[in-house]
Amino acid sequence: EAGVAQSPRYKIIEKRQSVAFWCNPISGHATLYWYQQILGQGPKLLIQFQNNGVVDDSQLPKDRFSAERLKGVDSTLKIQPAKLEDSAVYLCASSYDRETGELFFGEGSRLTVL
Amino acid sequence: EDQVTQSPEALRLQEGESSSLNCSYTVSGLRGLFWYRQDPGKGPEFLFTLYSAGEEKEKERLKATLTKKESFLHITAPKPEDSATYLCAVPRGAGNMLTFGGGTRLMVKP
Repeated sequence: EAGVAQSPRYKIIEKRQSVAFWCNPISGHATLYWYQQILGQGPKLLIQFQNNGVVDDSQLPKDRFSAERLKGVDSTLKIQPAKLEDSAVYLCASSYDRETGELFFGEGSRLTVL
Repeated sequence: EDQVTQSPEALRLQEGESSSLNCSYTVSGLRGLFWYRQDPGKGPEFLFTLYSAGEEKEKERLKATLTKKESFLHITAPKPEDSATYLCAVPRGAGNMLTFGGGTRLMVKP
């Protein structure tokens, strides 16, 4: 079974530039999550989708971050404009449904903002 | 507000030296506590789910236990391949979203 796919694995940008991350969840998984993990910290939830609808985006900095999940499958997370403090690993995870706490994570996209 | 605190932040063990990692939590109405393992450069990998005080789960050299205020991850006779960051998490909100602790970085020396 294929795991959660993310791209790109690494991205370096200047502050105020924009960046987009892509995620393809495990086939059949209805729930998709984006987490931000700053070095040395645990993952912090940014947004949760159930199919193509948003369940919770209360911790998403909406002035600069946006996310969508078209057709209830792939998802993209965009940052525009980026700030230095956005340097982190962006993890995508999926689960069969939102009742389970067993999430399957991708390897993450590491963002460095200079 | 739901909080999850893990200790210690880092732990160095010699191969074969057993120890425990702690995860303390403050949630209103626990709906499960989850343990994950994260290797460098990888996403977290699910290990265990615990639902009620007194419950225990085991996997190889790892055993997770749960009380009303905290969970322990006991590691017996660890090997270097057990070196990783161990994360605990609790669900919050209607969407069952996981709130993670800061993790314990375990290093096992041969």
